[in-house]
Amino acid sequence: GGIITQTPKFLIGQEGQKLTLKCQQNFNHDTMYWYRQDSGKGLRLIYYSITENDLQKGDLSEGYDASREKKSSFSLTVTSAQKNEMAVFLCASSDWGSNYAEQFFGPGTRLTVL
Amino acid sequence: GDSVTQTEGQVALSEEDFLTIHCNYSASGYPALFWYVQYPGEGPQFLFRASRDKEKGSSRGFEATYDKGTTSFHLRKASVQESDSAVYYCALGPLGFNKLTFGAGTRLAVCP
Repeated sequence: GGIITQTPKFLIGQEGQKLTLKCQQNFNHDTMYWYRQDSGKGLRLIYYSITENDLQKGDLSEGYDASREKKSSFSLTVTSAQKNEMAVFLCASSDWGSNYAEQFFGPGTRLTVL
Repeated sequence: GDSVTQTEGQVALSEEDFLTIHCNYSASGYPALFWYVQYPGEGPQFLFRASRDKEKGSSRGFEATYDKGTTSFHLRKASVQESDSAVYYCALGPLGFNKLTFGAGTRLAVCP
């Protein structure tokens, strides 16, 4: 088995601030993902990475940057936090090249912007 | 683009009731269909998948059948327990690629 670790668990920021969320996985998976979860809207894909140093934009990439420095880690940066923004950011990983492989999720980082 | 519609935003049941959560999809090609479950304070967990028409996926007493004709993948369980209280997500993924499109989720509350 393996585990996905997300840090921090809670993140409080100020409007306009640049904020970074981190994710580590020990599954040795090739592909990693960042999702945003808003109440009533499900999970929306922000960025994904097929392999180390690869980055692909999802449906919600505007306002975010991502970085895949090594196979086991994937970071997400909120480039300018929006006032009153509240959401949970979920990191996930899966095997690449395996059709319909399940995604494994971390517990999430809960963001609040004051 | 691809989309997933879950009809029920919330479902409230008593223990031993029958559960149905409706999921309909719109996609080009022949996607795989998934159900994920999310318990409070945790990330979503894979429940099961189906990848071809009429295939039934199942796990932990939950099941769903891929129906290409009605573009549906409805989640069912014959007798729910309080421990099944969670948010359930239907999702689809295109052939040969792991990028998933999720529905809005259905919150299930089961009272003892």
